[in-house]
Amino acid sequence: AQRVTQPEKLLSVFKGAPVELKCNYSYSGSPELFWYVQYSRQRLQLLLRHISRESIKGFTADLNKGETSFHLKKPFAQEEDSAMYYCALRFQGAQKLVFGQGTRLTINP
Amino acid sequence: DTGVSQNPRHKITKRGQNVTFRCDPISEHNRLYWYRQTLGQGPEFLTYFQNEAQLEKSRLLSDRFSAERPKGSFSTLEIQRTEQGDSAMYLCASNSEPYFGPGTRLTVL
Repeated sequence: AQRVTQPEKLLSVFKGAPVELKCNYSYSGSPELFWYVQYSRQRLQLLLRHISRESIKGFTADLNKGETSFHLKKPFAQEEDSAMYYCALRFQGAQKLVFGQGTRLTINP
Repeated sequence: DTGVSQNPRHKITKRGQNVTFRCDPISEHNRLYWYRQTLGQGPEFLTYFQNEAQLEKSRLLSDRFSAERPKGSFSTLEIQRTEQGDSAMYLCASNSEPYFGPGTRLTVL
């Protein structure tokens, strides 16, 4: 079955430090991968998707098919990055997204 | 606000009652999704519409749940004979990205 795993429920780093939020998936085909972010009291927002290869708010994510991972990275964390982050997968030919359990990121001043 | 809207934002009901939620997607979006999110979990897919056609339903969508999108615009999700296990945030999203609404939080007493 297709599954998305975010191994860290909580992650805390200091402002200015690098951040890496891990996401692993199980799917043998060609997936489409997304990162969503939810700031306090706000709706889920798309942060980035692997096919666009963009950097949004300083975040990047590279799809590693060999390791079946799509880790989210930012070189220098900012306090406003504190939020809940969800990794999601859409497998070929499907419409639905399969989400991970989420990682709550806290940036300490 | 031109984003996805959902009403009501909160609903408290007693076990056994019926509830109905409404979702208004972004106007030009023909794809509409319903997801459910419980505490500590990522969103889980419930159902998907393309225009007025319901094309996919999750096993999570028991026979007490029904969703409609009669004119291919807004959608409703009805839960009959609610149970305490139905307590969750119900999220609507539109388009293939997708864009999420703020959700309806259901509490079943």
